[in-house]
Amino acid sequence: ILNVEQSPQSLHVQEGDSTNFTCSFPSSNFYALHWYRWETAKSPEALFVMTLNGDEKKKGRISATLNTKEGYSYLYIKGSQPEDSATYLCAAYYGGATNKLIFGTGTLLAVQP
Amino acid sequence: EAGVTQSPTHLIKTRGQQATLRCSPISGHTSVYWYQQALGLGLQFLLWYDEGEERNRGNFPPRFSGRQFPNYSSELNVNALELEDSALYLCASNADPFNEKLFFGSGTQLSVL
Repeated sequence: ILNVEQSPQSLHVQEGDSTNFTCSFPSSNFYALHWYRWETAKSPEALFVMTLNGDEKKKGRISATLNTKEGYSYLYIKGSQPEDSATYLCAAYYGGATNKLIFGTGTLLAVQP
Repeated sequence: EAGVTQSPTHLIKTRGQQATLRCSPISGHTSVYWYQQALGLGLQFLLWYDEGEERNRGNFPPRFSGRQFPNYSSELNVNALELEDSALYLCASNADPFNEKLFFGSGTQLSVL
């Protein structure tokens, strides 16, 4: 059974702090890594999709890196704002016989003003 | 452009009944994915339809089934409902299953009494 793991499970930071989360995944048959932000009472919204080892993506204050050889991705938020409060989900897409996108359980970020 | 739409928003059923959940993908998207989020758990992969065919299913019993129509909309059917089927059911779509992010609907909250 393929397991995508995220850490920490939850995080409380002060406004202005920079923070980062980790997503770990099995490397075998790995194809792509997705990051989503899920705010309360809304739908999950995609942040990034990365496929290549060493990929780095950036969207405003949020950036992500990917290491496919060791099976991890980091999501960074610079200068956290209260509106960044959400659950951040990563998901790994596996091809071959697995052929599905598997989600981690998420990191809940709370940014205190 | 309309996003992914799901109906109904809420559904209340009793044990043993059947539930039908509906999803309309974004125009031009041929792939539809169904995920379940039960209380305290992450997003669990249920089903993936592409071009009218079931491409993959998750580790759920056969009473979870679905279909995709020629217009790419999709239905999820849950037969013989059990209490533990109470969950948020999310539908997502994209045009390229291998490379593109998922666009999520706002979900159907199913409660089984």
